Amino acid sequence: GALVYQYPRRTICKSGTSMRMECQAVGFQATSVAWYRQSPQKTFELIALSTVNSAIKYEQNFTQEKFPISHPNLSFSSMTVLNAYLEDRGLYLCGARVGINQDTQYFGPGTRLLVL
Amino acid sequence: GDSVTQTEGPVTLSEGTSLTVNCSYETKQYPTLFWYVQYPGEGPQLLFKVPKANEKGSNRGFEATYNKEATSFHLQKASVQESDSAVYYCALSDGSSGSWQLIFGSGTQLTVMP
Repeated sequence: GALVYQYPRRTICKSGTSMRMECQAVGFQATSVAWYRQSPQKTFELIALSTVNSAIKYEQNFTQEKFPISHPNLSFSSMTVLNAYLEDRGLYLCGARVGINQDTQYFGPGTRLLVL
Repeated sequence: GDSVTQTEGPVTLSEGTSLTVNCSYETKQYPTLFWYVQYPGEGPQLLFKVPKANEKGSNRGFEATYNKEATSFHLQKASVQESDSAVYYCALSDGSSGSWQLIFGSGTQLTVMP
């Protein structure tokens, strides 16, 4: 089946520092990856959509300067949260899509970011 | 823009009773509709999806019918179990514009008491 791993599962960083999180697809080729942030209230915010060999599309309120994403191959993507502050806390989820014409996203367990 | 509205939680039921979680959507396109389930400490898991209007999706005793006329996709289960306790999300994806973004509802927390 389609499995998505995320690392680390949980991280704590000091305000103003940066942290990198990874997303690994196992058993399938993740042609596209979506990064979301889930708030403590459980709502989802889409950060960006990344397709291999295409430009990464960021949503309003999220920028490459703040959330740089790398998607070098069909099984791996990473995102960094630069200069993290309290409002950046949450569960960061990676949703991987199988194939260009598939609409289903398979999610990893998330990276929970706490900012002190 | 596209949106999804679902039953506000939390919902608490006794084991063996029936469940309905309402979901309504708004879009100008022809979306695929999804139900995802999220257990504590995990990411959302696909419960099932329905790509076409008037068709039904089902999995693990849960089911929902894509009602295009009513723009609804209500989740039902005849007899819930304690292990069904989780947060349920209705979502849509509209790929017609070239974007495959998932639009999620706000989630419905379900607790099933033994």
